Amino acid sequence: AQKITQTQPGMFVQEKEAVTLDCTYDTSDPSYGLFWYKQPSSGEMIFLIYQGSYDQQNATEGRYSLNFQKARKSANLVISASQLGDSAMYFCAMRATGNQFYFGTGTSLTVIP
Amino acid sequence: DAGVIQSPRHEVTEMGQEVTLRCKPISGHNSLFWYRQTMMRGLELLIYFNNNVPIDDSGMPEDRFSAKMPNASFSTLKIQPSEPRDSAVYFCASSLWAGRSQNTEAFFGQGTRLTVV
Repeated sequence: AQKITQTQPGMFVQEKEAVTLDCTYDTSDPSYGLFWYKQPSSGEMIFLIYQGSYDQQNATEGRYSLNFQKARKSANLVISASQLGDSAMYFCAMRATGNQFYFGTGTSLTVIP
Repeated sequence: DAGVIQSPRHEVTEMGQEVTLRCKPISGHNSLFWYRQTMMRGLELLIYFNNNVPIDDSGMPEDRFSAKMPNASFSTLKIQPSEPRDSAVYFCASSLWAGRSQNTEAFFGQGTRLTVV
């Protein structure tokens, strides 16, 4: 069975600090992709970053990086230099050979000025 | 490309009425997903299509829900009859699927906020 777990319902971070949002996954497929999405209060789902199961290096996109630890089945999102606009819900998702995307329950991030 | 287009953005209807949500995926994408989002249940996959064919509808809550994809550029999600517990935000998403490739993200529409009174 495919499963994504996000154990942090809510997180707070001081502006300009870094924050790590946790994500663990479970799959028996050898090939899979891991994704992070941001959902601001306006409601749209915004793709942030992708990590493939065979990628040797951790993915980075600007201030976002994915801390991929395959043996531990974790794919944590790191946001560096937090900004007020980073306040949002963040969802981790996995796509395996079945094609569908499995989403976690999300983490609400609040950036404090 | 304009992205995934959903209509309407907001829908308020009375219990028992039929509701039809519409989605136009990104041109060239061959996978389409319908999700429902509520505070209580989070983001739930209702159904998804590959190449216009429904692959997995196990997430459809009950027979009142149906989805179609008559061609590559259009899909509908219908609720008949609607009930207050169907109130939620419904998202449509599309993606490129190439066999065993899992490296393409899903692009989401803006969602339809449905309120059944």
